[in-house]
Amino acid sequence: GESVGLHLPTLSVQEGDNSIINCAYSNSASDYFIWYKQESGKGPQFIIDIRSNMDKRQGQRVTVLLNKTVKHLSLQIAATQPGDSAVYFCAETPPFGGTSYGKLTFGQGTILTVHP
Amino acid sequence: NAGVTQTPKFQVLKTGQSMTLQCAQDMNHEYMSWYRQDPGMGLRLIHYSVGAGITDQGEVPNGYNVSRSTTEDFPLRLLSAAPSQTSVYFCASSPQNRGHLLEKLFFGSGTQLSVL
Repeated sequence: GESVGLHLPTLSVQEGDNSIINCAYSNSASDYFIWYKQESGKGPQFIIDIRSNMDKRQGQRVTVLLNKTVKHLSLQIAATQPGDSAVYFCAETPPFGGTSYGKLTFGQGTILTVHP
Repeated sequence: NAGVTQTPKFQVLKTGQSMTLQCAQDMNHEYMSWYRQDPGMGLRLIHYSVGAGITDQGEVPNGYNVSRSTTEDFPLRLLSAAPSQTSVYFCASSPQNRGHLLEKLFFGSGTQLSVL
């Protein structure tokens, strides 16, 4: 079946550095991608999203890049702060009208640790 | 505005017992879903609903039942608890209606369930 996976399960950076978290997806029909942040003991929190008709989207200190050719998604965090330490998940959604509509699929997750 | 509320936060069951995990949202969201999260793994979809009266199975539905009699509530029932169901359970909702693209999910704070 289709799956969403992450290249790096852990990432350690120094405060102030830029962080890049990667995600590979295998369902070429997916048309919507989301990044979530999960802090210890809490539910996932939405960070940023991107649709398949875009290749880049920027938020506050975060940028998501989508490369449909190689089915790759990345999350860039600028000037990483200790408060950014968390598990980051990518997720994909199938297109409306398909049999998988409504089934959001999450990747394994990457643990980001920011050292002061 | 409370968002997505899950109860209880913690629960211990004996094998074979049944129970219901409650989920309520006050944002008038049509879409609701249940995920389980196991150590080292991403979130796996159990069941979801695109509107009141409509439910469907996710990736790991066995051993769980759901119903959606109102827009606000989406309870998850464990019919006969097994140790394999020890996990953290998250409920999530989205403002998307049937006929619209699924977008970002709002998550509850989770229920930690242990089955002995």
